[in-house]
Amino acid sequence: SYDLTQAPSVSVSPGQTARITCSGDASPKRYVYWYQQKAGQAPVLVIYEDTKRPSGIPERFSGSSSGAMATLTISGAQVEDEADYYCYSTDSTKNDRVFGGGTKLTVL
Amino acid sequence: EVQLVESGGGLVQPGGSLRLSCAASGFTFTNYAMSWVRQAPGKGLEWVSTVSGRGTSTYYADSVKGRLTISRDNSKNTLFVQMNSLRADDTAVYYCARDRLSMTGDWYFDLWGSGTLVSVSS
Repeated sequence: SYDLTQAPSVSVSPGQTARITCSGDASPKRYVYWYQQKAGQAPVLVIYEDTKRPSGIPERFSGSSSGAMATLTISGAQVEDEADYYCYSTDSTKNDRVFGGGTKLTVL
Repeated sequence: EVQLVESGGGLVQPGGSLRLSCAASGFTFTNYAMSWVRQAPGKGLEWVSTVSGRGTSTYYADSVKGRLTISRDNSKNTLFVQMNSLRADDTAVYYCARDRLSMTGDWYFDLWGSGTLVSVSS
């Protein structure tokens, strides 16, 4: 089965840039989606198709992808960005829908 | 308001059954495939099952295949999952999620409910 690997935790001070990575297979190309889950809440989509930001998501959230690695970048992280972040990808030919293990972002 | 509201969770003994529901509102339900995604306590997200907009196609994760059945009633804007032969490792918050097809041909979840907790224990 397809696996996505994330670091368990990332910590930054307020105003710093947080980078959360997600690694998978480089081939075939799979687009990555990012979900933010605050404590006790449902996940919220923050990035889709590697780099696109849904309406209502602050501009400080951005996504990038190169080879087997996708990165969620939070420029000028704020205390309210503290959450678990999950990458997600899919292989529609195999009906395979996979989440990474999640990264806990601490902002303090 | 666009929203998904799950119900039906609770405590069930190993080997037991439970049926979860998800009421959708604020969008044209039949236009969207729908999914269940679960999260065990303190763990990550796991896709469980998906049903197409008309209910004619269903998909399951290997971990639940043969024990869970997803369905929908488009006349009532409601998604269901029938859970049988439940095990301790099925204990999780079960989220209902709306599927969206991206420009790149991927299915992803663009709207989530708040979840309902299923606890499997004797």
